[in-house]
Amino acid sequence: QSALTQPPSASGSPGQSVTISCTGTSSDVGGYNYVSWYQQRPGKAPKLIIYEVRKRPSGVPDRFSGSKSGKTASLTVSALRAEDEAEYYCSSYARSNNLVFGGGTKLTVL
Amino acid sequence: QVQLQESGPGLVKPSQTLSLTCTVSGGSIGSGGYYWSWIRQHPGKALEWIGYIYYSGSTSYNPSLKSRVVISVDTSQNQFSLKLSSVTAADTAVYYCARDASYNSGGIGPLDYWGQGTLVTVSS
Repeated sequence: QSALTQPPSASGSPGQSVTISCTGTSSDVGGYNYVSWYQQRPGKAPKLIIYEVRKRPSGVPDRFSGSKSGKTASLTVSALRAEDEAEYYCSSYARSNNLVFGGGTKLTVL
Repeated sequence: QVQLQESGPGLVKPSQTLSLTCTVSGGSIGSGGYYWSWIRQHPGKALEWIGYIYYSGSTSYNPSLKSRVVISVDTSQNQFSLKLSSVTAADTAVYYCARDASYNSGGIGPLDYWGQGTLVTVSS
């Protein structure tokens, strides 16, 4: 069982927006602004798309955005495109100097 | 462009030690400014952070694995390595090495460059 809770699946049509949640505790998501999001396509390594809750690495489209409220972080993908279909994972720094991940959310573009 | 490549045996017997090496190109571990990490992904898809090392040799490990893990660095070869002892079937996973960009900001992560991953199966 993963330390952070994500919905197993999410979906949307091209052009729509989808939001994926990531719920933790006060010892991880709620306690630090060190939440990251990763996109993973089948057979590939995870790719960093959001870090420190809402920052985007160079080259990541601004259609990807992150936010946090209390113990829940969220990833929003706007203007969905077929290429966004992938697995998405959140991670957070946790007390006791640890990094914890969510169980992953499979995003389907209908 | 930083690139990482994992190498090592794909099959390890139960109770033995899993050993993997990550070779970094396009950037120097010895230049500092980054941690160098190991992460694994079980067949059921969950990701698990194993630990990281700095070029100086300082390390941090996942508390749940700490008793079995050793991460070391060889700056002359631009490599870092993972040893996981007393393995069981539960250690079967794809093992990734990655660069951790948190050195100047605190915390652990973000992991901004990853290797392609290597599957390690624990079986007799």
